[in-house]
Amino acid sequence: DSGVTQTPKHLITATGQRVTLRCSPRSGDLSVYWYQQSLDQGLQFLIQYYNGEERAKGNILERFSAQQFPDLHSELNLSSLELGDSALYFCASSVGSALNTEAFFGQGTRLTVV
Amino acid sequence: AQKVTQAQTEISVVEKEDVTLDCVYETRDTTYYLFWYKQPPSGELVFLIRRNSFDEQNEISGRYSWNFQKSTSSFNFTITASQVVDSAVYFCALSDKSNQAGTALIFGKGTTLSVSS
Repeated sequence: DSGVTQTPKHLITATGQRVTLRCSPRSGDLSVYWYQQSLDQGLQFLIQYYNGEERAKGNILERFSAQQFPDLHSELNLSSLELGDSALYFCASSVGSALNTEAFFGQGTRLTVV
Repeated sequence: AQKVTQAQTEISVVEKEDVTLDCVYETRDTTYYLFWYKQPPSGELVFLIRRNSFDEQNEISGRYSWNFQKSTSSFNFTITASQVVDSAVYFCALSDKSNQAGTALIFGKGTTLSVSS
């Protein structure tokens, strides 16, 4: 158990809908990262927050947004869902934001868009 | 551009065989970190190792060992005396600063290792 908690574990929704994925980082970790794992794109970095502020942005679609709350949990909002958004979404956390910080991953949320 | 290549898509071995998973990376950064993660069938990503660009010493942890060669931009992972429980997808990753205040990981496509008894 990495200590990173993601809810829900599975989510099935229809195209055009909006969903929210939740992540609670390990105790003491200030950074939260979101990654998307799909068959065609592999594991791709979406976005990073550190202590409530956005720190780095990757290939995140405009339909997607995220935030980190004062209690350090984070939410990833996915809207106007398309079939291609079906993927495993991982949250990871780390103590710091530096290059040498290893990130610990949650078990992921499997999103299926039908 | 930053890139991680894991040329081996799938590897099948029999228990007790040694197996090496290859990882080649590209980066313009002078300071960077390399990682290996394991994704077992249950789906979670498990951190295995972190290595910085200034430390080319090989590392051994039990049956696992890592060979970092800056000259060839490679960070290979060897499992000695493989076991069925080693069956998983293994990902090599590279830290990506990309002129941002934070960091991200660039992952390779992964190598699926199947160990049969």
